[in-house]
Amino acid sequence: DAKTTQPTSMDCAEGRAANLPCNHSTISGNEYVYWYRQIHSQGPQYIIHGLKNNETNEMASLIITEDRKSSTLILPHATLRDTAVYYCIVRVNGYSTLTFGKGTMLLVSP
Amino acid sequence: NAGVTQTPKFRVLKTGQSMTLLCAQDMNHEYMYWYRQDPGMGLRLIHYSVGEGTTAKGEVPDGYNVSRLKKQNFLLGLESAAPSQTSVYFCASSYPGQFQETQYFGPGTRLLVL
Repeated sequence: DAKTTQPTSMDCAEGRAANLPCNHSTISGNEYVYWYRQIHSQGPQYIIHGLKNNETNEMASLIITEDRKSSTLILPHATLRDTAVYYCIVRVNGYSTLTFGKGTMLLVSP
Repeated sequence: NAGVTQTPKFRVLKTGQSMTLLCAQDMNHEYMYWYRQDPGMGLRLIHYSVGEGTTAKGEVPDGYNVSRLKKQNFLLGLESAAPSQTSVYFCASSYPGQFQETQYFGPGTRLLVL
């Protein structure tokens, strides 16, 4: 699986959009970009994933650059409950395991 | 549905003691996983299973054994606990498929080995 690079921490004001970047410059053509988050003391939670097209669901949007070397997770209206560590993972679908890095600690403040 | 449940939630062991962590899922998932998470670190895969009766090693398998006798259960065993195994253990499950392969995690088991 390709390696990812994320900022260690980010801050966001409540109600504003949170944009979390991820660099995956060595991504292969058949690797998907996955995002999970982990709220303190809880198990990780799946957010969204994509291959090359932008994706949106009820939780977030995923923007993948045309060259697929980076992506951005967007939480459109961050709330205090979105404070968590966010993990960007790239992997081949059909391959069972996930490799978690240290992720980005997002702190949403009032 | 309860999703993924883990038993116990918290345990204290003395060095050399043994214990078994139980993971159960009611989603009929084929794949199950055990991870450990140390303070300030991401999750590391210990062992996983792609079906009943099958197991495979992950990134950090030493000191652990697993069994998948029933599809809904995945057991993680520590035969002789060591302080280095103090960690939070997470179980996860998933249903394989190109667009369905997301993992669902349990609430974790906090283990302290003295």
